[in-house]
Amino acid sequence: KNQVEQSPQSLIILEGKNCTLQCNYTVSPFSNLRWYKQDTGRGPVSLTIMTFSENTKSNGRYTATLDADTKQSSLHITASQLSDSASYICVVSGVLNTGNQFYFGTGTSLTVIP
Amino acid sequence: DVKVTQSSRYLVKRTGEKVFLECVQDMDHENMFWYRQDPGLGLRLIYFSYDVKMKEKGDIPEGYSVSREKKERFSLILESASTNQTSMYLCASIPGLAGRFNEQFFGPGTRLTVL
Repeated sequence: KNQVEQSPQSLIILEGKNCTLQCNYTVSPFSNLRWYKQDTGRGPVSLTIMTFSENTKSNGRYTATLDADTKQSSLHITASQLSDSASYICVVSGVLNTGNQFYFGTGTSLTVIP
Repeated sequence: DVKVTQSSRYLVKRTGEKVFLECVQDMDHENMFWYRQDPGLGLRLIYFSYDVKMKEKGDIPEGYSVSREKKERFSLILESASTNQTSMYLCASIPGLAGRFNEQFFGPGTRLTVL
């Protein structure tokens, strides 16, 4: 069964600290993995995309990793800011003849406190 | 700048009412999606459409219908709203099959409360 699991469910950190969010998946065949940030009351916005051949990709203070062999991805946030408080959703795309099929994790709720 | 808009940010309806949620995208995308998002369950696909007048059921289509009369507009219809349809509804769009790595663009969401 194609699944995406994220951990932890929620996280509270102090401003300025680093944190790492995890995403494990069983989706096959695999096309790509995206990390989305969803602010409260807003729609998700893509932070980064990881394809099969990519191990690490950075977007400012966000760094995503992908291990396609173990089917694990992580999102590392450096020097957290209050504006990083949001839900982070891992979305894995599987490949179908008709296009991509999207599998959503349930998200990690991050709260950054001063 | 890409944009997906939804007709309402907040909506309160009574049980049994017919509810229309509208989504419009200005990117000429072929594919459009309706999801609902509930705490602990993540996003679940209700319906999607890959072309005008075409629709496919997602994982949880019961109690919902959709309409796509124009490429830019995808409507979600609750024929007879029930309290268990209280949720956040998100619309998304993506280009056609040409790009496997295309990004889904999401609207801001409609928080629907059914009393």
